[in-house]
Amino acid sequence: DTQMTQSPSTLAASVGDTVTITCRAAQSISIWLAWYQQKPGKVPKLLIYRASILKSGVPSRFSGSGSGTEFTLTISGLQPDDFASYYCQDYNSDSYTFGQGTKLEIK
Amino acid sequence: QVQLVQSGSELKKPGTSVKIYCKASGYIFNSYAMNWVRQAPGQGLEWMGWIDTNTGSPTYAQGFTGRFVFSLDTSVSTAYLQISSLRAEDTAVYYCARERPHDYWGQGTLVTVSS
Repeated sequence: DTQMTQSPSTLAASVGDTVTITCRAAQSISIWLAWYQQKPGKVPKLLIYRASILKSGVPSRFSGSGSGTEFTLTISGLQPDDFASYYCQDYNSDSYTFGQGTKLEIK
Repeated sequence: QVQLVQSGSELKKPGTSVKIYCKASGYIFNSYAMNWVRQAPGQGLEWMGWIDTNTGSPTYAQGFTGRFVFSLDTSVSTAYLQISSLRAEDTAVYYCARERPHDYWGQGTLVTVSS
């Protein structure tokens, strides 16, 4: 299994801010990384796959980058709807490990 | 439209078993793998494994071998998760999720294990 480490665990920001969440893989996973958003009590939602491809319907203020072992999720111009938890996931190997999550809170 | 509909919440006693279903619609069931994901209360997402909907062959993540069984009934486009010898620490929401990455998710099934 490839260990996935997200940082920070918690992030406080204001509406309109730009924030970045980092996900590091213990070994190279090429571009096989996905990002999910989960709001409290709701089902996770796929935002980005193959590290940088936005799923259809996801607002363009979300962007992903990286390859190999380091990846980032950037949200530009935070909206109230964006305050949620975010998870990265490796789907390169035989085991699709999630990062531990980042909770994005309102400052 | 693609839908994954899961069975309802379960309250079980320790040592018993539970079988959750995930009924798929809106797509060709055996064209996409089915995954299972666990989320304990207040915790993150844990990938439990997946089942090949063509062959029925399951793959289990570390920590989900032995008491966890994935199965299918392709005639009704349904995947199942059975957990035996339930423990308090199995209390969680269990999700089915299509393919990798997980583009569609079931609504989740809360399993509560308590005496």
